[in-house]
Amino acid sequence: GDSVTQMEGPVTLSEEAFLTINCTYTATGYPSLFWYVQYPGEGLQLLLKATKADDKGSNKGFEATYRKETTSFHLEKGSVQVSDSAVYFCALSGTGGFKTIFGAGTRLFVKA
Amino acid sequence: NAGVMQNPRHLVRRRGQEARLRCSPVKGHSHVYWYRQLPEEGLKFMVYLQKENIIDESGMPKERFSAEFPKEGPSILRIQQVVRGDSAAYFCASSIQGPPTGELFFGEGSRLTVL
Repeated sequence: GDSVTQMEGPVTLSEEAFLTINCTYTATGYPSLFWYVQYPGEGLQLLLKATKADDKGSNKGFEATYRKETTSFHLEKGSVQVSDSAVYFCALSGTGGFKTIFGAGTRLFVKA
Repeated sequence: NAGVMQNPRHLVRRRGQEARLRCSPVKGHSHVYWYRQLPEEGLKFMVYLQKENIIDESGMPKERFSAEFPKEGPSILRIQQVVRGDSAAYFCASSIQGPPTGELFFGEGSRLTVL
């Protein structure tokens, strides 16, 4: 079945460091891809999305490119802030079912 | 705030009791989803509903769990005869557009603890 695999966390970075969180997927067809962020004690919020190959989603300095050839959707940010500390979830939908499938999440800690 | 509203935020039940979790979607959203998050794990899909209809319940345990989204009122996730393994955070999400491209708007979750 369809699935999403993310790099394991936690990831610990210093403020202003470069961030990459890897995400690969397995799907039949051509899913839409998403990154959601969850701050402590809160629900998930959509961070960015891409609906077709080579699309780049971007928001708040984060970006991710839909790579069909490598079935990947890696999240990047050039300079992280302490306020970016959260859990990041990669997700896909639209491959014949009705559910959005989430990866296990990657916890990010950013130190001042 | 017109976001997804879930209540209760925290619920404690003893084994064998019933848990009832409520979700009011964003105004105008007719698609509702329930997910379960176990500690340090990702979200697992449970059920997808539109008004008065269950569209996909492939993630729901066959016994003790049920969900509804009536014409009027919130969506309800009901867990009968709770067991310790039901302890988790239950998140409701809604969307204005259905799959595949519909963005999900999540509530803050209901955290169930079974003693």
